[in-house]
Amino acid sequence: RKEVEQDPGPFNVPEGATVAFNCTYSNSASQSFFWYRQDCRKEPKLLMSVYSSGNEDGRFTAQLNRASQYISLLIRDSKLSDSATYLCVVNPVSSGSARQLTFGSGTQLTVLP
Amino acid sequence: NAGVTQTPKFRVLKTGQSMTLLCAQDMNHEYMYWYRQDPGMGLRLIHYSVGEGTTAKGEVPDGYNVSRLKKQNFLLGLESAAPSQTSVYFCASGRNFNQPQHFGDGTRLSIL
Repeated sequence: RKEVEQDPGPFNVPEGATVAFNCTYSNSASQSFFWYRQDCRKEPKLLMSVYSSGNEDGRFTAQLNRASQYISLLIRDSKLSDSATYLCVVNPVSSGSARQLTFGSGTQLTVLP
Repeated sequence: NAGVTQTPKFRVLKTGQSMTLLCAQDMNHEYMYWYRQDPGMGLRLIHYSVGEGTTAKGEVPDGYNVSRLKKQNFLLGLESAAPSQTSVYFCASGRNFNQPQHFGDGTRLSIL
């Protein structure tokens, strides 16, 4: 099983729609969770961190479910500019030995006019 | 504030040539990383560093070497370039392994 798994999509949604992505992780000891977005041929950019209590930033809501070991990203009122690949990122800390984040392969979103 | 800067942005090499990619960060971050990203694939960690003078292997280290002589710089070397190393290379830095990473805008490398 991969450490971090995402549905690759593509998700094609009309402008104004609500869309949600899930990401599962295998290491129950993981402590840090993030969502990044990556535009075509560009560098990944931090979208938001994911906290245990859930957090919201404008139209974006991130949630963490430790019991089921997944994080989610909800985008409301989709804009054309939201079209990108969304990367789930987890720090699979185990006994303090890990020194890097693990990136999922990404979920591709296309918002259609 | 430049953040993470990678040079060069583009490069074409012939098989067997060597080159060095430079990554510089001005955020005083301890941790630095080199990734490669191939079409349709996610980021794969090549090497990383947890501080000046330290380096460690990532997921795909073969064919690459790195050095962190100064805290702000992380160099990635290809000793004898191979076509399989054609890729987009991203450098990133972070305060520690639990904090978000900040990426440079990438180096597009083609090896013929």
